[in-house]
Amino acid sequence: ETGVTQTPRHLVMGMTNKKSLKCEQHLGHNAMYWYKQSAKKPLELMFVYNFKEQTENNSVPSRFSPECPNSSHLFLHLHTLQPEDSALYLCASSQEGQGTNEKLFFGSGTQLSVL
Amino acid sequence: EDQVTQSPEALRLQEGESSSLNCSYTVSGLRGLFWYRQDPGKGPEFLFTLYSAGEEKEKERLKATLTKKESFLHITAPKPEDSATYLCAVQGVNYGQNFVFGPGTRLSVLP
Repeated sequence: ETGVTQTPRHLVMGMTNKKSLKCEQHLGHNAMYWYKQSAKKPLELMFVYNFKEQTENNSVPSRFSPECPNSSHLFLHLHTLQPEDSALYLCASSQEGQGTNEKLFFGSGTQLSVL
Repeated sequence: EDQVTQSPEALRLQEGESSSLNCSYTVSGLRGLFWYRQDPGKGPEFLFTLYSAGEEKEKERLKATLTKKESFLHITAPKPEDSATYLCAVQGVNYGQNFVFGPGTRLSVLP
């Protein structure tokens, strides 16, 4: 596989469930991101990892917990979510990260519905 | 506060009918302006990066231009396969890799 792969593509969960989103990049990049995309709203940056270290947490509620075990893998652990958390969650990667003019490579996203 | 707005919100064109999409931005020092294309059910796909006013980039039927306050994405003789949402993003000098995205323009090209 090439590019950025996200699983699952679709997820329906109750407010008391715990689930995880997975992202894997095959591009040899060193920076990985989680974005949230809600209908008719701009992409919202959630977390940034640079060389496996978290460099940005954009005031995200603690019910979202990221994990980056290595430069190729990124997880988003979800627990006790709210219905307003329903959105498309996008993972992205870039070559180097901080301070560079980096274009982002996105995965296809996980469409999350919280009931 | 850095901001990106895009207009129109939605645009319907007949095949072959050229038009332009607008991206207006305010940023305290522009590092780069980016255009992405997003198809339904997929993540955004990179199109162009523009760095300074006066710069232009072209790819097939698309041409992106940049001024100090806005960018245009010109679509010449569009085809139905150009239908997508086009996103604009800016990266300011004070942010590092943190991009600010606009809400996008949803383009439909009818055969």
